[in-house]
Amino acid sequence: GQQLNQSPQSMFIQEGEDVSMNCTSSSIFNTWLWYKQDPGEGPVLLIALYKAGELTSNGRLTAQFGITRKDSFLNISASIPSDVGIYFCAGQSFGNEKLTFGTGTRLTIIP
Amino acid sequence: NAGVTQTPKFQVLKTGQSMTLQCAQDMNHNSMYWYRQDPGMGLRLIYYSASEGTTDKGEVPNGYNVSRLNKREFSLRLESAAPSQTSVYFCASSESFLNTGELFFGEGSRLTVL
Repeated sequence: GQQLNQSPQSMFIQEGEDVSMNCTSSSIFNTWLWYKQDPGEGPVLLIALYKAGELTSNGRLTAQFGITRKDSFLNISASIPSDVGIYFCAGQSFGNEKLTFGTGTRLTIIP
Repeated sequence: NAGVTQTPKFQVLKTGQSMTLQCAQDMNHNSMYWYRQDPGMGLRLIYYSASEGTTDKGEVPNGYNVSRLNKREFSLRLESAAPSQTSVYFCASSESFLNTGELFFGEGSRLTVL
């Protein structure tokens, strides 16, 4: 089946730092999504991308749909304590409506 | 507005016991899903229901059964629990199967099989 490689697996940063994470696929996707999971909660959609090359922002979050359609990037600027959690990428390909999720990036903010 | 509600939130089973995880959504969504989350594995699809009256296998269906009771409810049953089924289970829904990108998740059910 399709696989999504998400990196890094974990990040330890100080408050105020910028964060970058990415996701790569072995196959082409027509939709890329980024979800965030707070501790003890279910994932919540942050950003959806529908077009190759698309760059979309949601507050301090910016995500990009790679031109090759095989990767996506998420950046968080000026991190704050509530950014702590697990970030998942997810992709949807033509002819397969089911989402494939990445393995997640766990973000921890060091006091 | 409750969204997606799962019960129970925590459960401990012995190997061989059976149980059913319940899920209900109040958003009038057509499609519903069951995922499991394991460390380092992300979210993996167990079963899904594209619309009321239909169910299909996902990536990891073995050892599970599902029932789409009505448009609101989608249950997941473990007939004979095994330690490998220790996991956090998430129910999710979406407006339509062709719009699976925007999934709404429940809070999760943490299951431990001893």
